[in-house]
Amino acid sequence: QVQLQESGPGLVKPSATLSLTCTVSGGPISRYYWSWIRQSPGKGLEWIAYIYYSGTTKYNPSVESRATVSVDTSENHFTLNLKSVTVADTATYYCARWAFISGAFDIWGQGTMVTVSS
Amino acid sequence: QSALTQPASVSGSPGQSITISCSGSSTDVGNSNYVSWYQHHPDRAPKVIIYDVSNRPSGVSNRFSGSKSGNTASLTISGLQAEDEADYYCTSYTTSRTVIFGGGTKLIVL
Repeated sequence: QVQLQESGPGLVKPSATLSLTCTVSGGPISRYYWSWIRQSPGKGLEWIAYIYYSGTTKYNPSVESRATVSVDTSENHFTLNLKSVTVADTATYYCARWAFISGAFDIWGQGTMVTVSS
Repeated sequence: QSALTQPASVSGSPGQSITISCSGSSTDVGNSNYVSWYQHHPDRAPKVIIYDVSNRPSGVSNRFSGSKSGNTASLTISGLQAEDEADYYCTSYTTSRTVIFGGGTKLIVL
């Protein structure tokens, strides 16, 4: 059974870079797209980006200039770097598997809360 | 990209049916079979309940059904149960190869 687990700091200072890792266990990272999704307090879900195991990426235009997603197939994990963060980036960040065959995020991590504050 | 439009909240009594709409455009819902719906309980990970507009993943109750007409997708929940109270989100793949979420709908079971 494939499981995802987010990891990273829970507190990031304004203007710094937020870095999160999603570790994939129970199955290979290959042949799937992997995504980052967030939910700010009191708001809805927002797709951030996806990456194919080969390294192909696509970003939400709202964060494209600040976000970078990368994948490490040898370590079976993928990462999100979001630079120049502000309080508006405070959110619960989820990683999820995007299954193109079903057109859906079929497996999700439990989410990790990141607060941007000095 | 702007979020797909969903009602902020819907409500229904146990046993009743409710429908949640998800309005988009010709660049997303209207031009994609990759429309999915998610159930999100507080402090839990979202769970896919409908994919490819109208398909249910294994293990999801047949009380949940999805459809699409033009630029609007719909989720219907029949035989409402207390455990259905949650937030529901639609998503669509877009012609720009991005993914867009709806704003979310809070379902209240009276």
